[in-house]
Amino acid sequence: IAGITQAPTSQILAAGRRMTLRCTQDMRHNAMYWYRQDLGLGLRLIHYSNTAGTTGKGEVPDGYSVSRANTDDFPLTLASAVPSQTSVYFCASSVREDTEAFFGQGTRLTVV
Amino acid sequence: AQSVTQLDSQVPVFEEAPVELRCNYSSSVSVYLFWYVQYPNQGLQLLLKYLSGSTLVKGINGFEAEFNKSQTSFHLRKPSVHISDTAEYFCAVRNPTGRRALTFGSGTRLQVQP
Repeated sequence: IAGITQAPTSQILAAGRRMTLRCTQDMRHNAMYWYRQDLGLGLRLIHYSNTAGTTGKGEVPDGYSVSRANTDDFPLTLASAVPSQTSVYFCASSVREDTEAFFGQGTRLTVV
Repeated sequence: AQSVTQLDSQVPVFEEAPVELRCNYSSSVSVYLFWYVQYPNQGLQLLLKYLSGSTLVKGINGFEAEFNKSQTSFHLRKPSVHISDTAEYFCAVRNPTGRRALTFGSGTRLQVQP
């Protein structure tokens, strides 16, 4: 089934550790996004990529980095995790940057 | 910059009653508007979208929304809700130019009671 795959589904991480959240899509969408979801705040954009080889910062980029080496993959890295990065992380993609986004199932990350 | 306000954090309603979930946005340019639904422990699923044309937009599961440019609103409605409609609903806007990523509201929890 075509779509977006995120891994892991959930993770408990010690503060200070490095972590990469994986995101792969098989729809050949040009644009990809990372959001974090926190209670009462909705979804906030961390980083985005309008096409392979380019990335940009969203609303809350501090402490996170991304890369887009090819069309399908868009990993999100936490270089040194802190408890405030405890959240549910969603990867999304869209055909172009002006069409609707399709979402993965999310990664629940707890930093302790 | 654009922003989205969902005025109600929770909306309790009885089964088969009508419901309206409110969404207001602010933007200095024209925007595209979306409603997404999130069932427990799942990702977001598109309910409906407004890009241009008719201001009344019909979506999946019997939902519809009306774009009101003068009031900068995009309220979601359903004439008769079911227990299965219990979920979190998010309004989102997208700028057709510039960065163009979705900007989300804080969400409205719809709780349908028997």
